[in-house]
Amino acid sequence: NAGVMQNPRHLVRRRGQEARLRCSPMKGHSHVYWYRQLPEEGLKFMVYLQKENIIDESGMPKERFSAEFPKEGPSILRIQQVVRGDSAAYFCASSPTGTGGHNEQFFGPGTRLTVL
Amino acid sequence: GNSVTQMEGPVTLSEEAFLTINCTYTATGYPSLFWYVQYPGEGLQLLLKATKADDKGSNKGFEATYRKETTSFHLEKGSVQVSDSAVYFCALIGFSGGYNKLIFGAGTRLAVHP
Repeated sequence: NAGVMQNPRHLVRRRGQEARLRCSPMKGHSHVYWYRQLPEEGLKFMVYLQKENIIDESGMPKERFSAEFPKEGPSILRIQQVVRGDSAAYFCASSPTGTGGHNEQFFGPGTRLTVL
Repeated sequence: GNSVTQMEGPVTLSEEAFLTINCTYTATGYPSLFWYVQYPGEGLQLLLKATKADDKGSNKGFEATYRKETTSFHLEKGSVQVSDSAVYFCALIGFSGGYNKLIFGAGTRLAVHP
C-alpha cells in the first residue's frame, strides 16, 4: 500500500508565478489535510478537504491560496502570484475517516517551495 | 481551544544519554496524543501514539505516557543514538468543529553527538 504521495518534491518559482502542489492520499483515504512549515517552525494547519468538499479552510490565507480535492485525481494546493514569504515546505496528510475517532494522519514527504 | 506546548530546543546530548522532551496539552474532551519525528529534509513520521489516559506509546526505544492529571505526554528514551538526531513534534487530535483536528507543538530539535 503506497503511502501519501506528493509532487513535485521541490518547486522553484519566481515572484508572481503560480505554484501547483499535488497530493495523492493513501488508498482508501478520502480525507486530505494540508499544512505549511516555515523554516525552523512547526506545522500550521491550512485546509481540510474531503472529496469535492472543503471542510475547513480556516488556516488558509484569504488571498492567492486555494485548494481542491476533485472526485477523480489528486488534491491540488494552488498558490497564485507567489511571493518570497510563500517559501516553505508544504505537507499533505490523509486519513481514512474524519470524525469522531482518534485516527492518525499519514503524512507525505512534502513539497519544498522556493520563491526567487 | 486545543493547543500543545513542548519544550524549546535545541536539545544537545551525547550518545547513550537519557532523553526527555516535555509536552503538555490543553484540550476539551479526550484527545489522542502523538509524537512525530522529522529527519532532515524529510516529511513527518509517526513515532508513537496513545489514545486514552494512562496509555503508554512506545516505538524504537522511545516511550511516552498519556497523563491526564498533568495533561502531559513527555517523550523519553533511555539511551539516545546519533541516528536519533531529528526534530520531534508533539501533537494531539481533538474533536473540534465536527472533525478531528491535528494540532502540533512547535517542535524540538534534538542533536546527538558521538
